Amino acid sequence: ETGVTQSPTHLIKTRGQQVTLRCSSQSGHNTVSWYQQALGQGPQFIFQYYREEENGRGNFPPRFSGLQFPNYSSELNVNALELDDSALYLCASSPHRQDGTEAFFGQGTRLTVV
Amino acid sequence: GQNIDQPTEMTATEGAIVQINCTYQTSGFNGLFWYQQHAGEAPTFLSYNVLDGLEEKGRFSSFLSRSKGYSYLLLKELQMKDSASYLCAVRDLNTGFQKLVFGTGTRLLVSP
Repeated sequence: ETGVTQSPTHLIKTRGQQVTLRCSSQSGHNTVSWYQQALGQGPQFIFQYYREEENGRGNFPPRFSGLQFPNYSSELNVNALELDDSALYLCASSPHRQDGTEAFFGQGTRLTVV
Repeated sequence: GQNIDQPTEMTATEGAIVQINCTYQTSGFNGLFWYQQHAGEAPTFLSYNVLDGLEEKGRFSSFLSRSKGYSYLLLKELQMKDSASYLCAVRDLNTGFQKLVFGTGTRLLVSP
């Protein structure tokens, strides 16, 4: 167990709706990254938060947004859901150091858009 | 740009040795990671290489050649529980922050 927890574990939403996914990072980790993993694919980087600011962003549209709170927990919000948003959403926490420390992943939220 | 290539699927027999290759192209290389992911679960960390050479950890070893943009994960004494996807990921610092760029994963099936 990594100490990174995500909620909910599963979610079903209708196209056009909005969704909020939550992540509690491992103690001592101040950087949170979000990834989208479609079935049969590797995780794709969405964005990263450090000290409550977006620190970097992948190739995702603005309807994907996030927040980081003072306790380093984080939210991923997706507006105007599309069928292709169906995926496993992974949160990873890490110290903000550029060394060999790996990112620890949560168990993920499986989002299904119908 | 960034590109990570690894085989889609591999099969092996219990007790055997298997090598999963990964080639990468990235301009901001700062380390290569291997993760194991069982179906429906989160990726779990296996190994990290930033310098050339072999890193050994029990039944698992990982090798890196930065000049060739090449890595492999070696799994020895395969067990049934090793059936999983193995993800190669490169840490990219080119954009001023660290992110992991993943390959599509290699699905390993271990048979009795």
